[in-house]
Amino acid sequence: DADVTQTPRNRITKTGKRIMLECSQTKGHDRMYWYRQDPGLGLRLIYYSFDVKDINKGEISDGYSVSRQAQAKFSLSLESAIPNQTALYFCATSDSRQGMTYEQYFGPGTRLTVT
Amino acid sequence: AQSVAQPEDQVNVAEGNPLTVKCTYSVSGNPYLFWYVQYPNRGLQFLLKYITGDNLVKGSYGFEAEFNKSQTSFHLKKPSALVSDSALYFCAVRDMTRFQKLVFGTGTRLLVSP
Repeated sequence: DADVTQTPRNRITKTGKRIMLECSQTKGHDRMYWYRQDPGLGLRLIYYSFDVKDINKGEISDGYSVSRQAQAKFSLSLESAIPNQTALYFCATSDSRQGMTYEQYFGPGTRLTVT
Repeated sequence: AQSVAQPEDQVNVAEGNPLTVKCTYSVSGNPYLFWYVQYPNRGLQFLLKYITGDNLVKGSYGFEAEFNKSQTSFHLKKPSALVSDSALYFCAVRDMTRFQKLVFGTGTRLLVSP
């Protein structure tokens, strides 16, 4: 969905480095999510945010942190990257105010490799 | 806790044949169920959802899904597969916590051969 953008699209980094993945949306949605995708494991939720002041840990938040700088921006940080954080990362949004339809809209993903 | 299971890692079908991608769910209460598709190098795209009403739900690209409460299933179907349908398909269910976020299955890869 072009209304949800992620930067960078690809990143190779070294063990121990700090890295930030950024997500922006123009859909006007209040809810935002960060997932990681690994082969055979599907999508696992890292963090999610109701709105700017409501941020919650998902099922695999260890080693990650997030920042919701504005309603439209939600960043994911790896404080000290390790090789098992190599994965495809997705940002998603949803709108709680339009009849609670629950659909999520995904960005194109960031492929992160930690060497 | 709410969950979905996709029992097949991969489904192979010939072009023109009908296809089925299976999903079973486990929820307390009434399920809200979804199907998403992921094409190579793309994010997930919403296909269809079941919230209430008719058990047969129609979605994008000619896909449909059948909700079966007695079998706790929500299988994705298409009458005639296209090579371009080859992709990764995810089933999801709304959880019942305050946030009501989606819980995704592990995905099924569909390969449609010419």
